[in-house]
Amino acid sequence: KAGVTQTPRYLIKTRGQQVTLSCSPISGHRSVSWYQQTPGQGLQFLFEYFSETQRNKGNFPGRFSGRQFSNSRSEMNVSTLELGDSALYLCASSLQLGLAGEQYFGPGTRLTVT
Amino acid sequence: DAKTTQPNSMESNEEEPVHLPCNHSTISGTDYIHWYRQLPSQGPEYVIHGLTSNVNNRMASLAIAEDRKSSTLILHRATLRDAAVYYCILSIGNMLTFGGGTRLMVKP
Repeated sequence: KAGVTQTPRYLIKTRGQQVTLSCSPISGHRSVSWYQQTPGQGLQFLFEYFSETQRNKGNFPGRFSGRQFSNSRSEMNVSTLELGDSALYLCASSLQLGLAGEQYFGPGTRLTVT
Repeated sequence: DAKTTQPNSMESNEEEPVHLPCNHSTISGTDYIHWYRQLPSQGPEYVIHGLTSNVNNRMASLAIAEDRKSSTLILHRATLRDAAVYYCILSIGNMLTFGGGTRLMVKP
């Protein structure tokens, strides 16, 4: 079974631009969560999608948004990029919403904002 | 949010057992205890989780204190590939709140 895939793996953007990151979950997984990892703040939860609806949201500004498609694939968008948005963005998939258990993480997208 | 406290780093010898402690004194009755690890340049990897009883799987064992205010991840025989940052996390559902984790170094 293929794992979680994220594209692109690396991205360089300029301050003020916007960016869209993509995540394909493991086949059959319906929940997709997004995390931001930085050296200073560690791993922080962004949001979770299930059945094309955002179910949980972390403490991030509205510039960070996402969506999920009917095939469970998810995209994350960051508008008006700031230097502090430079980070590793990870997505994780799991079978269902609201059940404690295994989440499978992708390799991440490394975003650099200059 | 319930928080966890872990040592910043630990060292172990290869092929010896490793006990990674985690304190979570403010845990609520519905919080699950999860352990994930992150190897260099990779996303986190699920290790084990539990609620009240001790748990075993092919990777590790999780020992949970009777009052649930602490837990210990046990790697039975550390290998060089186990060198990683280990995160102890409390969660309800899929929303994981990661702390600083413990960096485990394994010496040959």
